[in-house]
Amino acid sequence: DAGVIQSPRHEVTEMGQEVTLRCKPISGHDYLFWYRQTMMRGLELLIYFNNNVPIDDSGMPEDRFSAKMPNASFSTLKIQPSEPRDSAVYFCASSRDRAKNIQYFGAGTRLSVL
Amino acid sequence: DQQVKQNSPSLSVQEGRISILNCDYTNSMFDYFLWYKKYPAEGPTFLISISSIKDKNEDGRFTVFLNKSAKHLSLHIVPSQPGDSAVYFCAASAKAAGNKLTFGGGTRVLVKP
Repeated sequence: DAGVIQSPRHEVTEMGQEVTLRCKPISGHDYLFWYRQTMMRGLELLIYFNNNVPIDDSGMPEDRFSAKMPNASFSTLKIQPSEPRDSAVYFCASSRDRAKNIQYFGAGTRLSVL
Repeated sequence: DQQVKQNSPSLSVQEGRISILNCDYTNSMFDYFLWYKKYPAEGPTFLISISSIKDKNEDGRFTVFLNKSAKHLSLHIVPSQPGDSAVYFCAASAKAAGNKLTFGGGTRVLVKP
C-alpha cells in the first residue's frame, strides 16, 4: 500500500486566497484525521471523520476552515480566506482499528501564507 | 491546557547507550498511549503503544513503561543507533472521547556516533 497521500507537499499563497489541501487515506481505513503542526501549539487535531461522516470538528479554529470527505478515498481541508497565521504543516492520518487507534500519517503539506 | 507533556525538548546520547524519553499526562480518562517518531519533512510514524491495563510493552530495542498512579510513561531505546535521531511524540487517547489522539510537544533525540 502507498500509505496516506497528501497533496500538494508545499503551498505558498497570498493572504485572502483560498487554499485546498487534499488527502487520500489508506484503502480500507474508515477513520480520517486532519492535524495542524505549529511551533507554538505542536500537533493539534482539527477534525476527524468516521465512514466519511465528520465526528468531531471541535479543533477547527474558525469558520474559515472547512473539511469534507465525499467518499472513502478522498478528503479536503479548505481555508477561505487564508491568513498568515494559518501558516503551518497540515497532516492527514487514517486508521482502521478503533480499539488500538494506531493512526498512519501522510507526509504533510507545508503551507505558507504571505 | 496541555494534557500530555514532554518536558524535555531535546536529548543527546552516545551510540550504543540507552535513550530514555519521558511523558506525563493529566487526564485520568486516557487508556491508550502511543509513541510516534518523526523525521524532517515526513509525517509521524507509529513506533510502539501500550494499553492502560499493562505496565510494560516491548518491541525489539523499544520498550514503553506506564506508571498509571504517577500518570507517567517512558520510552526506552536500547541500544541507541544514529538512525534513531528524530523527534519523538508521546500521544494518548480515551475511549470515552472517541478516537482522538492528544499529542505531547515532542522530544528531539540526537544519537552521536
